[in-house]
Formats: sequence, C-alpha cells, structure tokens
Amino acid sequence: GQNIDQPTEMTATEGAIVQINCTYQTSGFNGLFWYQQHAGEAPTFLSYNVLDGLEEKGRFSSFLSRSKGYSYLLLKELQMKDSASYLCAVVLTNTDKLIFGTGTRLQVFP
Amino acid sequence: SAVISQKPSRDICQRGTSLTIQCQVDSQVTMMFWYRQQPGQSLTLIATANQGSEATYESGFVIDKFPISRPNLTFSTLTVSNMSPEDSSIYLCSVVGTGIHEQYFGPGTRLTVT
Repeated sequence: GQNIDQPTEMTATEGAIVQINCTYQTSGFNGLFWYQQHAGEAPTFLSYNVLDGLEEKGRFSSFLSRSKGYSYLLLKELQMKDSASYLCAVVLTNTDKLIFGTGTRLQVFP
Repeated sequence: SAVISQKPSRDICQRGTSLTIQCQVDSQVTMMFWYRQQPGQSLTLIATANQGSEATYESGFVIDKFPISRPNLTFSTLTVSNMSPEDSSIYLCSVVGTGIHEQYFGPGTRLTVT
C-alpha cells in the first residue's frame, strides 16, 4: 500500500520560518509535489522535487531525500496569507498519478 | 499552464439521484484524473480518464458508482451515481501539462447529498 504522512496542524507567527515535513512509503517514486490549498479553493502548485537536495523558489523551499523517504517544505518570512493547507504528493513510477499525503493545516498568527 | 473549468461549481442533491460533473480544459492534454476530497481530508485519486477507452479506477472505486467519459483530449465527465450522504465531497479534475510532471487542478465541484 501507499503511505504518506504529514503533521495534521501547525501554527506559526508572522515573519517566522516554518518547516512542514512529509514522509512516504510508496510502491514506486517518480518525484514529489508540494501544493498549497486555501479553504474552498483548488490546490495550487508550489514545487516539484525528483532529485535529492534543496529547491529554492522565493520564500518557499523544498527538500527531498529519496533514501530516507523524506521531504520538507520550508516557508520563510511567513505572511498571514500563508495560512492554508499544504499537501505533499508522490508521483508513482511510470505514471502521472499523484498519491496525496494527509495534508498539514498551517495557521499563521500576527 | 492549463486553464480548467468545472460545472457545476456546487450542487445539493437528494439521496438516490445521480450527478454528472463536467471538466473542460483550454488545451489538449494527454492525462486527466478525477480526485475526491472529503470534508477536512486530503485528496484521493478516483480514476484516470482515458481518451477513447474505459477509465482506470483506483482501489475502492468502481465504474458502476463513478462512470467516467473522456470523448476527446479537452473534456471529461464524472458521474456520481445513486448518491448517499457519504458521497458529499469536493470532486476535482486534474490534468498533466506539457512540462515535466506539471499537474493542475480544476476549481472543484462541491457536492452535498441530503
């Protein structure tokens, strides 16, 4: 079976840094996505990692370790608008199918 | 990136009825998927909509309950049949873009079954 775990909820303060972890055990692996989803809206693409290491994109960075089955999303200089759910999703080998993690609901406080 | 629209955006339906959800993309795409997101939950893949052939369903989802059509490379429908309150969810279609593993989501259809 497929297993992708994230913390259910996290809180942080405006201006701070937060790291959202994702661990996975899947039958195959062809990359990992991070999506942001505001309440009542569709998920929007944040990042895609297929090789080990850190990918930086503005205030958001994503890290992948394939040997450890581990990824994290790092959000810097948090803003109130970053309050949302963050979903990691694994792409299975030889498909474009996404298997989603449980999602992490982040609340940013002033 | 692809622009995806879904109809209806939301609906309230009675138990035992069926609802067909449409997904329209502004460009031809090879891969289209249907997902379900139950209240407070993450997304679960229902099926891959295959153009010109039967959809490929994930474990726990069957064609009789969720028939899918994909008549061309820009359009797909998902029907939720013989609905029960447990089918109350957001249903989203997604497509794979031209870039490596780019995947975009439609705005979703919020279904409430009473």
